[in-house]
Amino acid sequence: GAVVSQHPSWVICKSGTSVKIECRSLDFQATTMFWYRQFPKQSLMLMATSNEGSKATYEQGVEKDKFLINHASLTLSTLTVTSAHPEDSSFYICSAGGLAGGGEQYFGPGTRLTVT
Amino acid sequence: SQQGEEDPQALSIQEGENATMNCSYKTSINNLQWYRQNSGRGLVHLILIRSNEREKHSGRLRVTLDTSKKSSSLLITASRAADTASYFCATEHYGGSQGNLIFGKGTKLSVKP
Repeated sequence: GAVVSQHPSWVICKSGTSVKIECRSLDFQATTMFWYRQFPKQSLMLMATSNEGSKATYEQGVEKDKFLINHASLTLSTLTVTSAHPEDSSFYICSAGGLAGGGEQYFGPGTRLTVT
Repeated sequence: SQQGEEDPQALSIQEGENATMNCSYKTSINNLQWYRQNSGRGLVHLILIRSNEREKHSGRLRVTLDTSKKSSSLLITASRAADTASYFCATEHYGGSQGNLIFGKGTKLSVKP
């Protein structure tokens, strides 16, 4: 089946630093990947759609200069949280579309970011 | 933006009982999907039902879709303690980008052994 990995699984960083999170599709190519953020006991909120070879599409209210997305290849998308603040502490999850375009999403295991 | 709404927010049952979770949405959809999330983990896709389908089964899971009421239900039969997790519905909207999902707030299911 389709497997999506994320790295790191958890990270603690100091306020003002930047953190990069990787999302990889391990056994299929993903022209589109999605980045979500989930606060404790809340639902997933789509942050941006990452398109291979082009600029990401950000949802309203998400700062593109703060959350840098790079989709350099068909198997890798990265999310960089720049100048992190404690309020950026969250669970970040990526996903990739179904193999046959059937609509289902395959999700990574998530990355727990804590900004101190 | 539209967001699915699940109810109940939390559900606690005994092992062996059935669990029913409901999801409502607001605008036309291409499909509706149910996902499961164990605490602090990523999401696992359970089942997808298209807008022209009314019912779908997968093992102990049964999903219904009523597009006239803009609602869906997820039934887990003969629940097990291992079913304890949060369950989310997600909708792919008609006219939206493929794969762009809107998630509901989730139902936290607790199955007691």
